[in-house]
Amino acid sequence: GAGVSQSPSNKVTEKGKDVELRCDPISGHTALYWYRQSLGQGLEFLIYFQGNSAPDKSGLPSDRFSAERTGGSVSTLTIQRTQQEDSAVYLCASSYPGAGTQYFGPGTRLTVL
Amino acid sequence: AQSVTQLDSHVSVSEGTPVLLRCNYSSSYSPSLFWYVQHPNKGLQLLLKYTSAATLVKGINGFEAEFKKSETSFHLTKPSAHMSDAAEYFCVVSEPNTDKLIFGTGTRLQVFP
Repeated sequence: GAGVSQSPSNKVTEKGKDVELRCDPISGHTALYWYRQSLGQGLEFLIYFQGNSAPDKSGLPSDRFSAERTGGSVSTLTIQRTQQEDSAVYLCASSYPGAGTQYFGPGTRLTVL
Repeated sequence: AQSVTQLDSHVSVSEGTPVLLRCNYSSSYSPSLFWYVQHPNKGLQLLLKYTSAATLVKGINGFEAEFKKSETSFHLTKPSAHMSDAAEYFCVVSEPNTDKLIFGTGTRLQVFP
């Protein structure tokens, strides 16, 4: 079956611009997670959606970061007024809640010039 | 709070020799522990997971890990390294209830012919 997909695979933007990153989870997975992988910080949790519950935003590094999940499926991570320190690979994962195993997408590599 | 510590940032082995990647964990609960692998420019792939059943966990590609509560360790081993094992390996613990993943800093495995 289809895995987690993310788009775009690469994004280069200028400092100060807004970007949107998209994640399509595995069909039927109600839990969706965003993580960030950067050289300085390693892999870190950003935000978690579970069904129709309010998202857990505790990992978002600043108020320039936001995410939404429409219809319990596709999710969009938005970064406003990008900064160079936002350069990283943004990873999305999905799972059945309580199953423990998260399946990761290939990531979006964001470069802020 | 949950955390994992990967004791080696780099490990180098010769093809055909054993692999040992070390991980210690800290957890207030009975932890769920994972090893993920990331090949260059690829997404994260689950190798194996421990969820309080058998303490010796077998994963894909001949890898296994042993949960040792007395040592708070979850080391990853393989009897005989293959060139295709060269990758970054992450030891991971999940938070109870949310399943948010907390990653170690990673161990880069090099395999020499």
